[in-house]
Amino acid sequence: EIVMTQSPATLSVSPGERATLSCRASQSVSSELAWYQQRPGQAPRLLIYGASTRATGIPPRFSGSGSGTDFTLTISSLQSEDFAIYYCQQYNIWWTFGQGTKLEIK
Amino acid sequence: EVQLVQSGAEVKKPGESLRISCQGSGNSFANYWISWVRQKPGEGLEWMGRIGLSDSYTNYSPSFQGHVTISADKSIHTAYLQWSSLKASDSGMYFCTKQVTIFGVVKSWFDPWGQGTLVTVSS
Repeated sequence: EIVMTQSPATLSVSPGERATLSCRASQSVSSELAWYQQRPGQAPRLLIYGASTRATGIPPRFSGSGSGTDFTLTISSLQSEDFAIYYCQQYNIWWTFGQGTKLEIK
Repeated sequence: EVQLVQSGAEVKKPGESLRISCQGSGNSFANYWISWVRQKPGEGLEWMGRIGLSDSYTNYSPSFQGHVTISADKSIHTAYLQWSSLKASDSGMYFCTKQVTIFGVVKSWFDPWGQGTLVTVSS
């Protein structure tokens, strides 16, 4: 099983600032990585697939990068609705998720 | 636009059986692959398994193989997740989700997601 490790577990950032979230795979997943946002009490929402392609309707302040084992999700200017939990997911061999990064207001 | 609507919350006792559902709407539903994902309270997401609605072919995560059964009724665009004997450790939120299809080609990322079904198992 491919293990996905996200860091940090919690990230405190002020509105309007940039947030950078990391995800590392235990083996190469090429670019077969997605990012999801989960707000409290809601289902996950697809943000990014193919490591860097924004899903339909996702604003350009969200960007993804990386390949192989190291990936990054960047939110360029945080809005109030962006404070949530973010999960990375590999789909190279079946599916596994990271444990999540909670993005909280500083 | 594809939507997935799940059945309502359930409260069960250990040892009881349960089947929860996920109904889809939209075009070409027969070509869908539906996965089930568990989220225990305060924890992350775990992929449990999936089913192809065209032929009911299933794949399971080793962690869930033998503990749950995934089935489907393509005539009503519905996938099911079933337990024959619940345990307290089965308590959690269960989401269904669909592999994205682009011009008829099934991709491997998930969108959309159902709203979730909360399962509580307690004596």
